[in-house]
Parts: sequence; structure tokens; C-alpha cells
Amino acid sequence: DGGITQSPKYLFRKEGQNVTLSCEQNLNHDAMYWYRQDPGQGLRLIYYSQIVNDFQKGDIAEGYSVSREKKESFPLTVTSAQKNPTAFYLCASSMWTGQSGANVLTFGAGSRLTVL
Amino acid sequence: SQQGEEDPQALSIQEGENATMNCSYKTSINNLQWYRQNSGRGLVHLILIRSNEREKHSGRLRVTLDTSKKSSSLLITASRAADTASYFCAPRRGGGATNKLIFGTGTLLAVQP
Repeated sequence: DGGITQSPKYLFRKEGQNVTLSCEQNLNHDAMYWYRQDPGQGLRLIYYSQIVNDFQKGDIAEGYSVSREKKESFPLTVTSAQKNPTAFYLCASSMWTGQSGANVLTFGAGSRLTVL
Repeated sequence: SQQGEEDPQALSIQEGENATMNCSYKTSINNLQWYRQNSGRGLVHLILIRSNEREKHSGRLRVTLDTSKKSSSLLITASRAADTASYFCAPRRGGGATNKLIFGTGTLLAVQP
């Protein structure tokens, strides 16, 4: 079945540690995204990538880093520079259908990061 | 901002009643999408309406779009307890915009059995 797999589902981290969240898709989608969601709030865009080896900062990129070495994979590293990393992280992907296209997002199930 | 703003923030209804959620946005759009999120899960795409459409149906869902008012509404008819979730709108800007979608804070719908 096609879809997006995020791992791990739950992750605990000590302050000062970097942690990497995995996101893999087998939908052959061109674009991939990382969003952060805090309790009772909406989604905020961290980073996005429209093609391999290229990515753009979203609204809250500080303290995060990404790479896009393969079309299928878009890992997110939460660095120790992120002051408040405890949150629910969602990865998504979409097919590039042109600038006037639909751009419907498919989301993973999310990764919940807790900093102890 | 490309972000949509949903209203109300929370809505509680009885099973069988209709639920209406609204979305307002500020820029011109190519399309507007509605997504649903069950607690602790990822978002799921529900329906997309293009800027040249005024109304669209999908099962028990009805979406309207008024580009002159920069607003959209999502109607869920004959609601069920399983419809309990958060609902988000995502306007997609037209004219050379990138792929990214910006989501608002959503409407939390609670359907009481």
C-alpha cells in the first residue's frame, strides 16, 4: 500500500540532545513537508522540499534541519538549539501538478517528541 | 497571509444534526482544501474546491466557496459520533506560488451520541 511512514511514533529526548525524525513515502511524490503542532493549536510549517537536493525554510525553521538526498525520504533533525521542541510533528507529501495544480497533501501518522 | 482561519474554534452538536464550519482567507486562491484530523493522528484530505467553483459535494460533505468574500464553509450533514475531529481549511494561493499549504488552528467538532 502507498503511503507515508513516520518513525518513531513516540520519542523522548533529554535536553541538549539532537534527535532525528524519519519520514519515508512510496507515493512517488515530488514535494515533502514538515509541520509542527502544539496542543490545541494549528499546524506550523517547519521546512518543505519541492525536489531532491533542495529545500526551503517554513515559518519556524530555527532549531531544525532537514535533508532531501532521495525523493522518498525527508528526515527532520531537531537540534539542541530548538528551545521548546516538545510537540507533535507531522510529515506530508504531495505531487507537483504545476503552479495551478491541486497540491493535495498526504500526511503521515505523526511523531510525538517529548523533551525530559 | 495564505493561512485560512476557521470559525468557530469549537462546536458541539448532537448526533444527527448538521455541522457548519467556516473559513476565511486573505489572498487570491487557486483552490481551497478541507482536511480532518482525529485526535493524535495525521490530517486526512476531505475535499477540494477550485476558485471557479461555488459548491461541491462529497457524500455527507458540502463545501461552498465565495471568492468575493474570501470565505468558504464546510457542512457535514446528519453528523455521527465518528465525525468528532478537528477540521482545517487550507487555501492554495494561485499565480506562481510554491507548493506549500499553510493551515490555521482548525475547528474542533464534538458530536455527542
